[in-house]
Amino acid sequence: RKEVEQDPGPFNVPEGATVAFNCTYSNSASQSFFWYRQDCRKEPKLLMSVYSSGNEDGRFTAQLNRASQYISLLIRDSKLSDSATYLCVVNPHGGTSYGKLTFGQGTILTVHP
Amino acid sequence: DGGITQSPKYLFRKEGQNVTLSCEQNLNHDAMYWYRQDPGQGLRLIYYSQIVNDFQKGDIAEGYSVSREKKESFPLTVTSAQKNPTAFYLCASIPQGAGTGELFFGEGSRLTVL
Repeated sequence: RKEVEQDPGPFNVPEGATVAFNCTYSNSASQSFFWYRQDCRKEPKLLMSVYSSGNEDGRFTAQLNRASQYISLLIRDSKLSDSATYLCVVNPHGGTSYGKLTFGQGTILTVHP
Repeated sequence: DGGITQSPKYLFRKEGQNVTLSCEQNLNHDAMYWYRQDPGQGLRLIYYSQIVNDFQKGDIAEGYSVSREKKESFPLTVTSAQKNPTAFYLCASIPQGAGTGELFFGEGSRLTVL
């Protein structure tokens, strides 16, 4: 089993739709989790951190399910500008120590008019 | 301005030649990372370093080498032993201790082996 797995998609949704992605991880000791956004041929940018039970930032909501070992990203009221690749990252260390940060393979989202 | 600088942005090399990609940061970050990205793929970890003079292999270290002689510098050498080196290479850093957990990335280096 891969350390971090994502559904690669692609997800094609109309503007205004709600879309959700999942990311599963194999190391049950993993402590912190992140969602990054990557635009075509650019470096990834942090979208959200997911530390405990989840968090919300505007149209974006990230959730953590420790029992089933997955995190999710929900995007409401999708905009054309949300089209990108969404990457999850898992940190196996606790607190603010960072070791081997593993990325999932990314989920491609295309929002169309 | 603080940040991470990767160079060169684009690099063409002949098969069998070693190539060194530069990564410099002035953020005073402790940990630094090298990732490789192939078209339509996620980021795969090559090497990482949490402290000067120490580094660990990632998931795809074969055919690559690194050094961490200074806190601000983490160069990556793509050796001739790497069978398929054409890819997008990303360097990143993160501070140990207090922080948001945000990886700071350079703009990447695109290596094409002819």
